[in-house]
Amino acid sequence: QVTLKESGPALVKPTQTLTLTCTLSGFSLSTSGMRVNWIRQPPGKALEWLARIDWDDDKFYRTSLKTRLTISKDTSKNQVVLTMTNMDPVDTATYYCARTTCPTSCYTDYWGQGTLVTVSS
Amino acid sequence: DIVMTQTPLSLSVTPGQPASISCKSSQSLLHSDGKTYLYWSLQKPGQSPQLLIYEVSNRFSGVPDRFSGSGSGTDFTLKISRVETEDVGVYYCMQSIQLPYTFGQGTKLEIK
Repeated sequence: QVTLKESGPALVKPTQTLTLTCTLSGFSLSTSGMRVNWIRQPPGKALEWLARIDWDDDKFYRTSLKTRLTISKDTSKNQVVLTMTNMDPVDTATYYCARTTCPTSCYTDYWGQGTLVTVSS
Repeated sequence: DIVMTQTPLSLSVTPGQPASISCKSSQSLLHSDGKTYLYWSLQKPGQSPQLLIYEVSNRFSGVPDRFSGSGSGTDFTLKISRVETEDVGVYYCMQSIQLPYTFGQGTKLEIK
């Protein structure tokens, strides 16, 4: 059974660095074609893609946030980590990790439950 | 970035009646590989999004056949042939032809 689960602090202060972990189960990010994304959703707003890491360690970032984001993976722990520096109240959102798999076609098929991060002093 | 525009932003439908959501992209989503990278997902209340349709018209595993997707280039439609109460939530279209992946604003479906 494929699952993803986000973990991290619920509250961070402005200017702090946020570190979120996505723990994968039921699949391996070392499998060819596998990708994991981070996507966020501010309260009451639409979804916003942030970053992606692929099975071959290729990494991609939202251009407007590129200087603040770092995505990495630990295949042995089956985890993907996202760090976001210099947090601001506008970064308050539910953060999701989601799997993209590419058997014959690519699609984002499984999402974690999401973790709400509030940025406030 | 590719802008995805959904209409309407909200929809109130009587159970058993059809529903239709439009999604327009600011650029063509047709790739040189012949595939069109347009997806539809449903976010039920309090849940994370779930994939309904991939590459315009392919239903994901387990998705009821009352859901169908169509369109090409920059204009796409999601149709529900007969709405059921379990279909309530926010529907999003998404493109993945170009990074960053972008989503529509969402269409909230309510039951009358």
